[in-house]
Amino acid sequence: GIQVEQSPPDLILQEGANSTLRCNFSDSVNNLQWFHQNPWGQLINLFYIPSGTKQNGRLSATTVATERYSLLYISSSQTTDSGVYFCAFRSDSNYQLIWGAGTKLIIKP
Amino acid sequence: KAGVTQTPRYLIKTRGQQVTLSCSPISGHRSVSWYQQTPGQGLQFLFEYFSETQRNKGNFPGRFSGRQFSNSRSEMNVSTLELGDSALYLCASSRGGPGEKLFFGSGTQLSVL
Repeated sequence: GIQVEQSPPDLILQEGANSTLRCNFSDSVNNLQWFHQNPWGQLINLFYIPSGTKQNGRLSATTVATERYSLLYISSSQTTDSGVYFCAFRSDSNYQLIWGAGTKLIIKP
Repeated sequence: KAGVTQTPRYLIKTRGQQVTLSCSPISGHRSVSWYQQTPGQGLQFLFEYFSETQRNKGNFPGRFSGRQFSNSRSEMNVSTLELGDSALYLCASSRGGPGEKLFFGSGTQLSVL
């Protein structure tokens, strides 16, 4: 099956810093999404981004489907950005959501 | 608009028991999917229900089952609990199309002793 690899696995930054999280996939995927899981376990859908670029406030995401990767940018980090960021895509064959292992982000005040 | 509601929030059971978890989706959403999250295996897909029918199933043993009611509420059942079933169980709802955003509940933290 298609493999999803996220990097880096862990990231520690000071408040105000910018960061780039990467998601590589081993084959063409559709329906790529980015999620944030806060320290209390709540998962929030950040972007549905099969291709192109989207922005939402301090966050933006870019997917280059032909090169099989997606990037999540976080600018001017805040402590509330801490948590785990996952990329995931839906399998074409059975709609199953396949998840990356996540990037754990810690923003220090 | 109310979000996805999962109950209970925490649950402690012993090996061999069974457990039922509940998920109420966002109004108008017909798809409910369930996921298991553990530190070792990460997030894994359990199954998805759409309009009361199981549409997809992940690679979990038959001890894990679910159902969906006519009001789209879903329940997940785990029988003959094992220690390894300790996990955060998350459900998500959506309108059901492949490009639809998923909205997650807060999860049920199950501990099996």
